[in-house]
Amino acid sequence: AQRVTQPEKLLSVFKGAPVELKCNYSYSGSPELFWYVQYSRQRLQLLLRHISRESIKGFTADLNKGETSFHLKKPFAQEEDSAMYYCALLMNRDDKIIFGKGTRLHILP
Amino acid sequence: NAGVTQTPKFQVLKTGQSMTLQCAQDMNHNSMYWYRQDPGMGLRLIYYSASEGTTDKGEVPNGYNVSRLNKREFSLRLESAAPSQTSVYFCASHRGTEAFFGQGTRLTVV
Repeated sequence: AQRVTQPEKLLSVFKGAPVELKCNYSYSGSPELFWYVQYSRQRLQLLLRHISRESIKGFTADLNKGETSFHLKKPFAQEEDSAMYYCALLMNRDDKIIFGKGTRLHILP
Repeated sequence: NAGVTQTPKFQVLKTGQSMTLQCAQDMNHNSMYWYRQDPGMGLRLIYYSASEGTTDKGEVPNGYNVSRLNKREFSLRLESAAPSQTSVYFCASHRGTEAFFGQGTRLTVV
């Protein structure tokens, strides 16, 4: 069955330290993966997508089909990175997006 | 560009009351979703609509009904509100890749 798993509900990292938010997926088709971010009391917004292979706000994510993972990374955390992060999978066959349960990232001063 | 618009932004209901949350998108998207977001639970899918006139249950559909009468609008109805339905509700739509979210409805049932 298709699934997106984010194993950490909460991740606390000191400012300046590296960040890695984990995401694993299960999908028999060709996956398209995304990371969404939700800042305090705001709507979810797209952070980055794997097909763009871009770096947004210092964040990058590489799709690893062998490990079925799409981990989000940033080398040096900043306080403004504190937010809720959701990994998402687009199932092209059904034109449907499914989300992981989210990870709250807390950057410590 | 309005994107996805939800109304109302805030609502307080008494147990047993009914209400409808409205959602409209102006991006000609086929797929629309209703989620609820609770502390420690993340996003949970209530209902999904792949196109006008079709709806499917998500992870937590009990206590809710939906209506997709046209491509633009996807409404969520609580027939008899319960305190367990206190939550923040988000509507979303997508076509192809990126999903767009509404600003959320903060619902409190007392």
